[in-house]
Amino acid sequence: AQSVTQLDSQVPVFEEAPVELRCNYSSSVSVYLFWYVQYPNQGLQLLLKYLSGSTLVKGINGFEAEFNKSQTSFHLRKPSVHISDTAEYFCALVGRRALTFGSGTRLQVQP
Amino acid sequence: DGGITQSPKYLFRKEGQNVTLSCEQNLNHDAMYWYRQDPGQGLRLIYYSQIVNDFQKGDIAEGYSVSREKKESFPLTVTSAQKNPTAFYLCASSPRPTANTGELFFGEGSRLTVL
Repeated sequence: AQSVTQLDSQVPVFEEAPVELRCNYSSSVSVYLFWYVQYPNQGLQLLLKYLSGSTLVKGINGFEAEFNKSQTSFHLRKPSVHISDTAEYFCALVGRRALTFGSGTRLQVQP
Repeated sequence: DGGITQSPKYLFRKEGQNVTLSCEQNLNHDAMYWYRQDPGQGLRLIYYSQIVNDFQKGDIAEGYSVSREKKESFPLTVTSAQKNPTAFYLCASSPRPTANTGELFFGEGSRLTVL
């Protein structure tokens, strides 16, 4: 069975501070991982994806994530956050039928 | 512009009524999906369709029904058998089934409130 665990339901951070959103996965097959962002009352947008190759993946809006096979993790990072980064972030894993999503992490950027 | 259109954006219904949520895409994607989103639970797969005239149950299909008569349309009916229908519903599509490419393209969602 495949699953995704997002360890933090909420992450408060001050503007211009660095942030890391944690994601761990479980999969018995090839691993394809994604991070999506959701702004209030909207659909999800793709931030970045890992399919193969370099374990450090760069995405939009200055975000990056590192695939760590030994720790089964795919943590999302940004060196300096902005107020506009306030949103919910979802880690996802390609499953047998569709994407399997984590429970989400709400990033709250404070001035 | 190409994309996915969900309607209505907000919907209120009385308990016991069936309701149909619309999802239309002009991306020429083969696969379409319905997810349900509840606070703190992420997205859960209701139904998916990899090709016209074919669809499969997801993890929480009970109380829901779908059809896929046209490539661009994948409506979801929330029936009176769904015990707790109040939620945010998201429709998505992908060029091919996600086992091949992974990336989903999402609509803006429909928020259903049952009174």
